[in-house]
Amino acid sequence: GDSVTQMEGPVTLSEEACLTINCTYTATGYPSLFWYVQYPGEGLQLLLKATKADDKGSNKGFEATYRKETTSFHLEKGSVQVSDSAVYFCALSGGTNAGKSTFGDGTTLTVKP
Amino acid sequence: EAQVTQNPRYLITVTGKKLTVTCSQNMNHEYMSWYRQDPGLGLRQIYYSMNVEVTDKGDVPEGYKVSRKEKRNFPLILESPSPNQTSLYFCASSMGLAGGPFSYEQYFGPGTRLTVT
Repeated sequence: GDSVTQMEGPVTLSEEACLTINCTYTATGYPSLFWYVQYPGEGLQLLLKATKADDKGSNKGFEATYRKETTSFHLEKGSVQVSDSAVYFCALSGGTNAGKSTFGDGTTLTVKP
Repeated sequence: EAQVTQNPRYLITVTGKKLTVTCSQNMNHEYMSWYRQDPGLGLRQIYYSMNVEVTDKGDVPEGYKVSRKEKRNFPLILESPSPNQTSLYFCASSMGLAGGPFSYEQYFGPGTRLTVT
């Protein structure tokens, strides 16, 4: 079946540092890829998405590019803020089975002032 | 306000006592899904529904039941809960997850923290 592998956390950075969270996937068909963010005590919310190869999703300074050749969708931000502290999930859907959704284990990011 | 609601938010119960967690969305979404979140395991899909009266198993369906009689509601039923079902549960809805340009974002509820003793 489909799978998503995220870099292991937790990740601790100083404010204004660069962030990269690696995500690779295994799937057949034409999956769409997503990054979701979860703030403490809340449900997940969409951060960005890409629906086909070479698409770049971006939002709030975060970016990720759908790379079919390397089956990757790494999350990047040039300068993190304390308010970016959260858990980040890479996810795919519409791959082998339409309707199924597969999430990575999540990466906890803590940004210190 | 567009939202997914879940009830209850917190529940402590005993082994074997049937329970239902309700989920409702007001966005007229066709797709709904249930997940459980456990430390170190991320989110795992329990069941999903592509439309009314259409449900299918996710990755961890054992011990759970669902029904989709109306578009807006998708209750999760634990007929005989066990301690290994202690978890944080999320309901989500979407316009659809059919793949490619037909995969839309999921909107998540606030979560239900279930403890089975």
